[in-house]
Amino acid sequence: KAGVTQTPRYLIKTRGQQVTLSCSPISGHRSVSWYQQTPGQGLQFLFEYFSETQRNKGNFPGRFSGRQFSNSRSEMNVSTLELGDSALYLCASSLAGLARFNLITDTQYFGPGTRLTVL
Amino acid sequence: AQKVTQAQTEISVVEKEDVTLDCVYETRDTTYYLFWYKQPPSGELVFLIRRNSFDEQNEISGRYSWNFQKSTSSFNFTITASQVVDSAVYFCALMYGGSQGNLIFGKGTKLSVKP
Repeated sequence: KAGVTQTPRYLIKTRGQQVTLSCSPISGHRSVSWYQQTPGQGLQFLFEYFSETQRNKGNFPGRFSGRQFSNSRSEMNVSTLELGDSALYLCASSLAGLARFNLITDTQYFGPGTRLTVL
Repeated sequence: AQKVTQAQTEISVVEKEDVTLDCVYETRDTTYYLFWYKQPPSGELVFLIRRNSFDEQNEISGRYSWNFQKSTSSFNFTITASQVVDSAVYFCALMYGGSQGNLIFGKGTKLSVKP
């Protein structure tokens, strides 16, 4: 079956603009989680959505928001972009989510990421 | 405060050696979850394992094994008979905070396995 897809793969924006990234989970997966990876801050968790509801959240400012649609596809939006938002943004999907999935039958699958550059 | 420490920044071993990656965590929560992820040079993250705080059983999956010890707040990862394909950055992570919880990562350990 198809893996987790993220679009676009690369994006260049300027400071002050806003951006929307998309993540399509594996068919049947209801949880989508988002992550930011930078050389300086490392890997950081943004948020997790399950059945259109935000379930868990990291320590990011309100400029970072997300949503999930009824088909489980998720979008992440960053408003008023700053230079420090330049990063690789990863999403992952699983059947039941980070804190709920059955250890035997569930696994988290990651997409290839979206590389965002803010100029 | 919650924290994940991976003290080993880089490790280099020769193929077939066993290697242990250390992970020490801090949390006051009684219910929490620990994870290990692998990020090979290709960049795509790979989930390896999740453990909840009530399950201290060690886990073995092929050449991989995990040792969870609440007494020392550690969740160490051992690769037996390492292979070149094991070369990657390995991240340990802690999820805490209940139903609206947060997930924090260690800085990662870069493992290089040389032939």
